[in-house]
Amino acid sequence: DSGVTQTPKHLITATGQRVTLRCSPRSGDLSVYWYQQSLDQGLQFLIHYYNGEERAKGNILERFSAQQFPDLHSELNLSSLELGDSALYFCASSVFAGEQYFGPGTRLTVT
Amino acid sequence: GEDVEQSLFLSVREGDSSVINCTYTDSSSTYLYWYKQEPGAGLQLLTYIFSNMDMKQDQRLTVLLNKKDKHLSLRIADTQTGDSAIYFCAAGANNLFFGTGTRLTVIP
Repeated sequence: DSGVTQTPKHLITATGQRVTLRCSPRSGDLSVYWYQQSLDQGLQFLIHYYNGEERAKGNILERFSAQQFPDLHSELNLSSLELGDSALYFCASSVFAGEQYFGPGTRLTVT
Repeated sequence: GEDVEQSLFLSVREGDSSVINCTYTDSSSTYLYWYKQEPGAGLQLLTYIFSNMDMKQDQRLTVLLNKKDKHLSLRIADTQTGDSAIYFCAAGANNLFFGTGTRLTVIP
């Protein structure tokens, strides 16, 4: 158990819908990262937040957005969902940089 | 961005050593990591090495880094069936770039 929690574990939704994925980092970690794992793209970095501020963006679509709240939990919002958004979404946390500990992931299925 | 490459498959016999290799392109990557992913599970951080180190040993795991060739390897000594999983190499400073993963199969 890494100490990073993610909810929900599974999510099934229809095209065009909007979903919110939630992540709670390890106690004391100020950095939260979001990654997407899909069969065709592999593991890709989406976005990094540190203590509430966005620090870096990767291959994140404009339909996706994230935020980190004062209690350091983070949410990833995915809107106008397409079939190709079906993937495993991971959250990771670290103190700042360095060791990133991953949560168990949220498996999103878009039908 | 960073390009990280790994071979896709490796099979070894139980008790033998496994060596999983990885190459990366960006010499400014501060950290290099090895993660393990079992079926249906998340990514487990196995070990990592700072870019200014050559080697790190942690129980059955040995990481070797060749900075000149931008080559990273993970050696698992006395490989067990429980080591069967996908192993990901990752490189970066903050955001990580991952390889495709190497599926390790341990034959009893």
